[in-house]
Amino acid sequence: EDKVVQSPLSLVVHEGDTVTLNCSYEVTNFRSLLWYKQEKKAPTFLFMLTSSGIEKKSGRLSSILDKKELFSILNITATQTGDSAIYLCAVEAAVTSYGKLTFGQGTILTVHP
Amino acid sequence: EAQVTQNPRYLITVTGKKLTVTCSQNMNHEYMSWYRQDPGLGLRQIYYSMNVEVTDKGDVPEGYKVSRKEKRNFPLILESPSPNQTSLYFCASSGRDNEQFFGPGTRLTVL
Repeated sequence: EDKVVQSPLSLVVHEGDTVTLNCSYEVTNFRSLLWYKQEKKAPTFLFMLTSSGIEKKSGRLSSILDKKELFSILNITATQTGDSAIYLCAVEAAVTSYGKLTFGQGTILTVHP
Repeated sequence: EAQVTQNPRYLITVTGKKLTVTCSQNMNHEYMSWYRQDPGLGLRQIYYSMNVEVTDKGDVPEGYKVSRKEKRNFPLILESPSPNQTSLYFCASSGRDNEQFFGPGTRLTVL
């Protein structure tokens, strides 16, 4: 059974801090790993990673995948209160043309002013 | 505007009364999926569909049915809802780049 574990489950920081969110996985026929941000509504897509060691970056957010050790990290630098959200990691297993997604339980990030 | 829509957004019902949650996307996506989200458990996939008339079970399919008769629609059917199906439900669709777009969610309460 495919499995995705995120840590920590919850994190409270102050504005300006840097945070690192972790995602480890076990999946048969790995295709990709995806990160989402969920505020008070539906998840929104952040990154998709397929290759090991290549950093994806968007503003203050960056992510990297290690396919050998089966994990990914999401870094947020200079955090702002608007970064407060649940961050979800998902792993896609290659089925046929499209994959089956398995999500982790999420990390709740709270950024205080 | 590219979007995934779900209806209803909120629903309170009673045990055993059949219900359908509709999902529609206007992006011509082939892949659609249903998830439920529960505290501490994250998003769990219920069913997914790779194209019209092609569906498969996700991780928690028990008590649910789906159909994909048209590319844009992917309804979720609860034939006999039970209280343990009280949850927040999301529909999602994606194209070949695999970036999933999520609908706004349906909050279901089964009494």
